[in-house]
Amino acid sequence: DIVMTQSPDSLAVSLGEMATINCKSSQSVLYSSNNKNYLAWYQQKPGQPPKLLIYWASIRESGVPDRFSGSGSGTDFTLTISSLQAEDVAVYYCQHYYSSPFTFGPGTKVDIK
Amino acid sequence: EVQLLESGGGLVQPGGSLRLSCVASGFPFSTYAMNWVRQAPGKGLEWVSVIGGNGYNTYYGDSVKGRFTISRDNSKNTLFLQMNSLRAEDTAIYFCAKDVVGSINAPSDVWGQGTMVTVSS
Repeated sequence: DIVMTQSPDSLAVSLGEMATINCKSSQSVLYSSNNKNYLAWYQQKPGQPPKLLIYWASIRESGVPDRFSGSGSGTDFTLTISSLQAEDVAVYYCQHYYSSPFTFGPGTKVDIK
Repeated sequence: EVQLLESGGGLVQPGGSLRLSCVASGFPFSTYAMNWVRQAPGKGLEWVSVIGGNGYNTYYGDSVKGRFTISRDNSKNTLFLQMNSLRAEDTAIYFCAKDVVGSINAPSDVWGQGTMVTVSS
Protein backbone atom coordinates (compact mmCIF):
# COMPACT_ATOMS: atom_id res chain seq x y z
CA ASP A 1 0.00 0.00 0.00
CA ILE A 2 1.12 3.56 -0.70
CA VAL A 3 1.55 5.60 2.48
CA MET A 4 1.01 9.36 2.30
CA THR A 5 2.70 11.76 4.68
CA GLN A 6 2.26 15.52 5.01
CA SER A 7 4.26 18.32 6.56
CA PRO A 8 3.86 20.33 8.58
CA ASP A 9 1.01 19.06 10.75
CA SER A 10 -0.16 22.65 11.12
CA LEU A 11 0.93 26.15 10.20
CA ALA A 12 -0.13 29.70 10.91
CA VAL A 13 0.38 32.33 8.24
CA SER A 14 -0.37 36.03 8.17
CA LEU A 15 -3.11 37.25 5.86
CA GLY A 16 -1.71 37.88 2.41
CA GLU A 17 1.36 35.73 3.00
CA MET A 18 2.24 32.43 1.34
CA ALA A 19 1.40 29.02 2.79
CA THR A 20 3.18 25.88 1.63
CA ILE A 21 2.13 22.31 2.40
CA ASN A 22 4.18 19.26 1.48
CA CYS A 23 2.98 15.76 0.67
CA LYS A 24 5.12 12.69 0.14
CA SER A 25 4.12 9.27 -1.11
CA SER A 26 5.97 6.08 -0.14
CA GLN A 27 6.23 5.14 -3.81
CA SER A 28 5.88 7.00 -7.06
CA VAL A 29 2.36 7.93 -8.16
CA LEU A 30 3.57 8.94 -11.62
CA TYR A 31 2.05 6.65 -14.25
CA SER A 32 4.67 6.36 -16.98
CA SER A 33 2.27 5.52 -19.82
CA ASN A 34 0.52 8.90 -19.63
CA ASN A 35 3.05 10.90 -17.61
CA LYS A 36 0.39 11.87 -15.08
CA ASN A 37 0.79 12.08 -11.32
CA TYR A 38 -2.22 10.47 -9.64
CA LEU A 39 -2.34 12.98 -6.79
CA ALA A 40 -5.11 15.30 -5.57
CA TRP A 41 -5.47 17.99 -2.92
CA TYR A 42 -8.61 18.64 -0.90
CA GLN A 43 -9.69 21.41 1.45
CA GLN A 44 -11.99 20.66 4.37
CA LYS A 45 -13.58 23.31 6.56
CA PRO A 46 -15.22 22.44 9.89
CA GLY A 47 -18.58 20.72 9.52
CA GLN A 48 -18.23 20.43 5.76
CA PRO A 49 -17.28 17.64 3.37
CA PRO A 50 -13.94 17.87 1.58
CA LYS A 51 -13.66 20.03 -1.52
CA LEU A 52 -11.45 19.09 -4.46
CA LEU A 53 -8.85 21.77 -5.15
CA ILE A 54 -6.17 20.21 -7.36
CA TYR A 55 -5.90 16.97 -9.35
CA TRP A 56 -3.22 15.38 -11.52
CA ALA A 57 -0.95 17.15 -9.01
CA SER A 58 -1.22 20.55 -10.69
CA ILE A 59 -4.60 20.98 -12.39
CA ARG A 60 -6.86 23.43 -10.56
CA GLU A 61 -10.49 22.30 -10.24
CA SER A 62 -13.03 24.60 -11.86
CA GLY A 63 -13.95 27.52 -9.60
CA VAL A 64 -10.91 27.21 -7.34
CA PRO A 65 -9.12 30.57 -6.89
CA ASP A 66 -5.81 30.87 -8.71
CA ARG A 67 -3.98 31.58 -5.44
CA PHE A 68 -4.07 27.77 -5.00
CA SER A 69 -1.46 25.87 -6.98
CA GLY A 70 -0.03 22.36 -6.95
CA SER A 71 3.37 21.14 -8.02
CA GLY A 72 5.67 18.14 -7.80
CA SER A 73 6.10 14.75 -9.40
CA GLY A 74 6.84 11.17 -8.50
CA THR A 75 6.82 11.08 -4.71
CA ASP A 76 7.07 14.71 -3.63
CA PHE A 77 4.30 17.26 -3.99
CA THR A 78 3.45 20.75 -2.78
CA LEU A 79 0.27 22.76 -2.35
CA THR A 80 0.87 26.50 -2.30
CA ILE A 81 -1.55 29.21 -1.29
CA SER A 82 0.10 32.33 -2.68
CA SER A 83 -1.74 34.92 -0.61
CA LEU A 84 -3.64 33.49 2.34
CA GLN A 85 -7.19 34.72 2.81
CA ALA A 86 -9.37 34.34 5.89
CA GLU A 87 -11.62 31.87 4.06
CA ASP A 88 -8.64 29.57 3.47
CA VAL A 89 -8.56 28.48 7.12
CA ALA A 90 -9.11 24.75 6.83
CA VAL A 91 -7.45 21.35 6.90
CA TYR A 92 -5.78 20.32 3.67
CA TYR A 93 -5.36 16.70 2.58
CA CYS A 94 -3.45 15.08 -0.23
CA GLN A 95 -4.68 11.79 -1.68
CA HIS A 96 -3.24 9.44 -4.27
CA TYR A 97 -5.46 7.56 -6.71
CA TYR A 98 -2.70 5.52 -8.37
CA SER A 99 -3.65 2.10 -7.02
CA SER A 100 -6.04 0.82 -4.39
CA PRO A 101 -6.16 1.62 -1.53
CA PHE A 102 -6.42 5.31 -2.43
CA THR A 103 -5.00 6.64 0.82
CA PHE A 104 -5.15 10.18 2.16
CA GLY A 105 -2.40 12.03 3.94
CA PRO A 106 -2.98 12.88 7.62
CA GLY A 107 -3.89 16.47 6.88
CA THR A 108 -2.35 19.89 7.49
CA LYS A 109 -4.26 22.51 9.46
CA VAL A 110 -3.87 26.07 8.21
CA ASP A 111 -4.67 29.01 10.50
CA ILE A 112 -4.21 32.76 10.49
CA LYS A 113 -1.27 34.14 12.45
CA GLU B 1 -27.57 20.58 -9.64
CA VAL B 2 -25.28 17.67 -8.87
CA GLN B 3 -26.16 16.23 -5.45
CA LEU B 4 -25.37 13.26 -3.25
CA LEU B 5 -27.54 12.44 -0.25
CA GLU B 6 -26.43 9.79 2.23
CA SER B 7 -28.69 7.99 4.68
CA GLY B 8 -28.78 4.91 6.86
CA GLY B 9 -26.42 5.92 9.62
CA GLY B 10 -27.19 5.43 13.28
CA LEU B 11 -26.23 3.68 16.48
CA VAL B 12 -25.36 -0.01 16.23
CA GLN B 13 -23.84 -2.48 18.68
CA PRO B 14 -20.41 -4.00 18.10
CA GLY B 15 -20.73 -6.99 15.81
CA GLY B 16 -23.86 -5.58 14.21
CA SER B 17 -24.64 -4.56 10.66
CA LEU B 18 -25.77 -1.43 8.90
CA ARG B 19 -26.50 -0.51 5.29
CA LEU B 20 -25.74 2.98 4.05
CA SER B 21 -27.32 4.49 0.96
CA CYS B 22 -26.35 7.44 -1.21
CA VAL B 23 -28.86 8.80 -3.71
CA ALA B 24 -27.35 10.74 -6.59
CA SER B 25 -28.98 13.36 -8.79
CA GLY B 26 -28.01 15.84 -11.47
CA PHE B 27 -25.55 13.67 -13.42
CA PRO B 28 -25.53 10.37 -15.37
CA PHE B 29 -24.90 8.15 -12.37
CA SER B 30 -23.89 4.98 -14.23
CA THR B 31 -21.09 6.86 -16.00
CA TYR B 32 -19.08 7.59 -12.87
CA ALA B 33 -17.13 5.61 -10.31
CA MET B 34 -18.27 6.21 -6.73
CA ASN B 35 -16.47 6.08 -3.40
CA TRP B 36 -17.12 5.86 0.30
CA VAL B 37 -14.78 7.86 2.53
CA ARG B 38 -15.06 8.07 6.31
CA GLN B 39 -13.90 10.42 9.02
CA ALA B 40 -13.75 9.43 12.68
CA PRO B 41 -14.62 12.23 15.14
CA GLY B 42 -11.81 14.77 15.19
CA LYS B 43 -9.66 12.68 12.84
CA GLY B 44 -8.57 12.76 9.21
CA LEU B 45 -10.09 11.27 6.09
CA GLU B 46 -9.94 7.54 5.45
CA TRP B 47 -10.73 6.10 2.04
CA VAL B 48 -13.05 3.09 2.41
CA SER B 49 -14.09 1.74 -0.98
CA VAL B 50 -14.68 2.44 -4.66
CA ILE B 51 -16.93 0.92 -7.32
CA GLY B 52 -16.75 1.39 -11.05
CA GLY B 53 -19.66 2.78 -13.05
CA ASN B 54 -20.83 -0.63 -14.20
CA GLY B 55 -20.56 -2.08 -10.70
CA TYR B 56 -18.09 -4.81 -11.63
CA ASN B 57 -14.88 -3.34 -10.26
CA THR B 58 -14.74 -2.91 -6.49
CA TYR B 59 -11.87 -2.18 -4.15
CA TYR B 60 -11.57 -1.75 -0.39
CA GLY B 61 -9.34 -0.28 2.26
CA ASP B 62 -7.45 -2.78 4.39
CA SER B 63 -9.39 -1.97 7.56
CA VAL B 64 -12.78 -2.88 6.04
CA LYS B 65 -11.87 -5.63 3.58
CA GLY B 66 -13.99 -8.74 4.16
CA ARG B 67 -16.50 -6.86 6.34
CA PHE B 68 -17.87 -4.12 4.06
CA THR B 69 -19.42 -4.51 0.61
CA ILE B 70 -19.94 -1.67 -1.85
CA SER B 71 -22.62 -1.93 -4.52
CA ARG B 72 -24.80 0.24 -6.71
CA ASP B 73 -28.19 0.21 -8.39
CA ASN B 74 -27.82 2.33 -11.50
CA SER B 75 -31.55 2.09 -12.23
CA LYS B 76 -32.18 3.94 -8.96
CA ASN B 77 -29.09 6.20 -8.99
CA THR B 78 -28.13 4.76 -5.63
CA LEU B 79 -24.85 3.72 -4.05
CA PHE B 80 -24.75 1.34 -1.08
CA LEU B 81 -22.33 0.28 1.62
CA GLN B 82 -23.19 -2.90 3.51
CA MET B 83 -21.26 -2.91 6.77
CA ASN B 84 -21.02 -6.14 8.77
CA SER B 85 -19.12 -7.15 11.91
CA LEU B 86 -18.97 -3.53 12.98
CA ARG B 87 -16.33 -2.42 15.47
CA ALA B 88 -15.99 0.64 17.68
CA GLU B 89 -13.26 1.90 15.35
CA ASP B 90 -15.78 2.05 12.49
CA THR B 91 -17.46 4.98 14.25
CA ALA B 92 -17.27 7.86 11.80
CA ILE B 93 -19.05 10.14 9.39
CA TYR B 94 -19.38 8.26 6.12
CA PHE B 95 -19.26 10.36 2.93
CA CYS B 96 -20.14 9.20 -0.53
CA ALA B 97 -18.17 10.87 -3.28
CA LYS B 98 -18.38 10.92 -7.07
CA ASP B 99 -15.24 10.51 -9.14
CA VAL B 100 -14.51 13.04 -11.89
CA VAL B 101 -14.52 10.32 -14.54
CA GLY B 102 -15.72 6.76 -14.96
CA SER B 103 -12.38 5.27 -14.05
CA ILE B 104 -11.80 4.32 -10.43
CA ASN B 105 -8.35 5.90 -10.67
CA ALA B 106 -9.64 9.42 -10.31
CA PRO B 107 -10.20 12.10 -7.67
CA SER B 108 -13.63 12.91 -6.25
CA ASP B 109 -15.22 16.18 -7.26
CA VAL B 110 -18.64 15.93 -5.59
CA TRP B 111 -19.26 14.89 -2.00
CA GLY B 112 -22.34 14.33 0.10
CA GLN B 113 -22.78 15.84 3.56
CA GLY B 114 -22.22 12.48 5.20
CA THR B 115 -24.09 10.17 7.54
CA MET B 116 -22.93 9.37 11.06
CA VAL B 117 -22.33 5.79 12.16
CA THR B 118 -21.78 5.09 15.84
CA VAL B 119 -20.73 1.64 16.99
CA SER B 120 -21.22 1.31 20.72
CA SER B 121 -22.85 -0.92 23.30
